[in-house]
Amino acid sequence: ETGVTQSPTHLIKTRGQQVTLRCSSQSGHNTVSWYQQALGQGPQFIFQYYREEENGRGNFPPRFSGLQFPNYSSELNVNALELDDSALYLCASSAGQGMVSYNSPLHFGNGTRLTVT
Amino acid sequence: EDQVTQSPEALRLQEGESSSLNCSYTVSGLRGLFWYRQDPGKGPEFLFTLYSAGEEKEKERLKATLTKKESFLHITAPKPEDSATYLCAVQAGGNYQLIWGAGTKLIIKP
Repeated sequence: ETGVTQSPTHLIKTRGQQVTLRCSSQSGHNTVSWYQQALGQGPQFIFQYYREEENGRGNFPPRFSGLQFPNYSSELNVNALELDDSALYLCASSAGQGMVSYNSPLHFGNGTRLTVT
Repeated sequence: EDQVTQSPEALRLQEGESSSLNCSYTVSGLRGLFWYRQDPGKGPEFLFTLYSAGEEKEKERLKATLTKKESFLHITAPKPEDSATYLCAVQAGGNYQLIWGAGTKLIIKP
């Protein structure tokens, strides 16, 4: 069983630039969520995709956008990068058909460490 | 406002010294509480889901319990490899998202 994989592992960008992060979901999982984790904090929900559509969004501005592809892989795009966007970006997948539940918990990748200078 | 608070922020124990981590929550309509372990530079690793008050789950040296206001992660006779940050998260109401605590950093000294 292949787990959740994310690329790249590390990235350094300049303020104002744009970035794309990629995620391959775990085999058999159809729902993908993205989280931002600042140092010493818990993950913050960005958004979730199911059947190639966004079906939930946290308190993040529109410059954070995403895609889900037919093979359930996903991208997170961030435009006009700000210094505060520096964080670990986590992708998680689940088999809950759009819902996190007790029998379909989230399974996380190891994240992309984004540094904005 | 839905909120999850974990305590203590950090905990240092000697190998074999049992203790408990706390996760208290204030949410409308708890649908599930999740415990995860996170090692440095890695993503969170799923440990347990608790669904209703009174429920208990065990895995090796870890045992998770749930009441209507909080959850405890009990660690019995810990080993250095149990050192990690332990995160709890709750799903509430009709929301898809999980609300996370800031975690407890557990250090087990040999």
